[in-house]
Order: sequence, then structure tokens, then C-alpha cells
Amino acid sequence: QVQLVESGGGVVQPGRSLRLSCAASGFTFRSYGMHWVRQAPGKGLEWVAVISYDGIKKYYADSVKGRFTISRDNSKNTLYLQMNSLRAEDTAVYYCAKEGVWYSYGNSFDYWGQGTLVTVSS
Amino acid sequence: SYVLTQPPSVSVAPGQTARITCGGNNIGSKSVHWYQQRPGQAPVLVVHDDSDRPSGIPERFSGSNSGNTAALTISRVEAGDEADYYCQVWDSSSDHVLFGGGTKLTVL
Repeated sequence: QVQLVESGGGVVQPGRSLRLSCAASGFTFRSYGMHWVRQAPGKGLEWVAVISYDGIKKYYADSVKGRFTISRDNSKNTLYLQMNSLRAEDTAVYYCAKEGVWYSYGNSFDYWGQGTLVTVSS
Repeated sequence: SYVLTQPPSVSVAPGQTARITCGGNNIGSKSVHWYQQRPGQAPVLVVHDDSDRPSGIPERFSGSNSGNTAALTISRVEAGDEADYYCQVWDSSSDHVLFGGGTKLTVL
């Protein structure tokens, strides 16, 4: 069965960096685009970034562009999110999510991880 | 930029039908997806591509999309349907994923 397991969250001071990981299993990871989506406490879902199946195409929300970098290692079945220059407003649960259509992006997310909490606070 | 508008809340009695809307400029030209999120849990896809149901999702969940409004309809609502529901589209003009603000469904 498909499993997505995020890790790397925690408490970090403003201006510092953090790297999240998402370990994937149960499907052919290298064939699917992957996303990061976040949810601030008590708020709605906010899309963060997408990476194509081959890692070539990457797109970011305006709120994180220039500070966050999405990447993947298809040999390790792992998705990453490098977060730099963190701000208090980046505090959220971060989910990784799998595209529902292979070799594509811009479709629905058919599987989500359970999320990892990032708290940016001094 | 493209905006998706959902009502903050919808209330319905058990056994009745709930309709949750998602408004956007000419949203009928886009594929709309819907997610259910119960408290403390990750979102779950309940309808994709306007009206298709993933395997394991009850037939009580259905979707429609036309003009400026997409909708998720839940028939014969049960207590377990109480959750937040989000619509989502891909905006090809900006290469961004967009979510609606979410609708809290309350089962009376």
C-alpha cells in the first residue's frame, strides 16, 4: 500500500533553516510528481511546491519562492523541502502529497502523508 | 490571480443532503478536486476531475462543475461526514495549485 512518511519538523528560530523529508513506498516513486502542502494551526490548506516526476520542473507558491527548494532523490524514493530564512508565518503542519496521474502534474493528490509540524519561534 | 471561494460553513441534519460550493471565474473550464479533512487527520481525496470518485469513497459523494460554480454533494449525510472540505484546482496560467478556503460541514 502507498505510504508517505514525513520527517524533519521541529522548533526553529526565525531566519534559520530546516530540511523536511518524505519517504515514499508502495508505488513507483520515480513515475509521479510530488507536492508539499502546508496548514497553519487552525487554518486551511496552502500549496507550497511541486516537482515533476524527473525532478526537472519545479514550481513554488509566491509566499515561499526564493526561500524554499523542493527536490527529490528517485534512487532513495525520497522527497525533500529545504526551507531557508524561516519566518513565524511558516509555522504549519507540512504534508507531502502524491500526484494522482503518472508522468504528470497539476492533477489531484491521491495520497497524503500524516504531516510534520514546523514551528518557527524565538 | 485566480481565487476559489467556499462558504465557511454548511450545516445539515443526518439523512439529508449537503451541498458545498466552490466558486471561481469560469471554473467550469478547469478540473476540480475535493478533499475531506477530519480533525487531526490528513486530507483525503473524495472527488477528482469534477465528478469521479476514488475507489473506497461511498457513492453518496458526488461532484459537479459548470460555469462559475463547482459543487460537492453528499447524500444521506452521516455523523462521520462531519469534517472540513476543500476544493482544489490547477491554475495553468501561473503553474500553481489553488485551494479554496475550506468549508466546515456540521451534522446537526
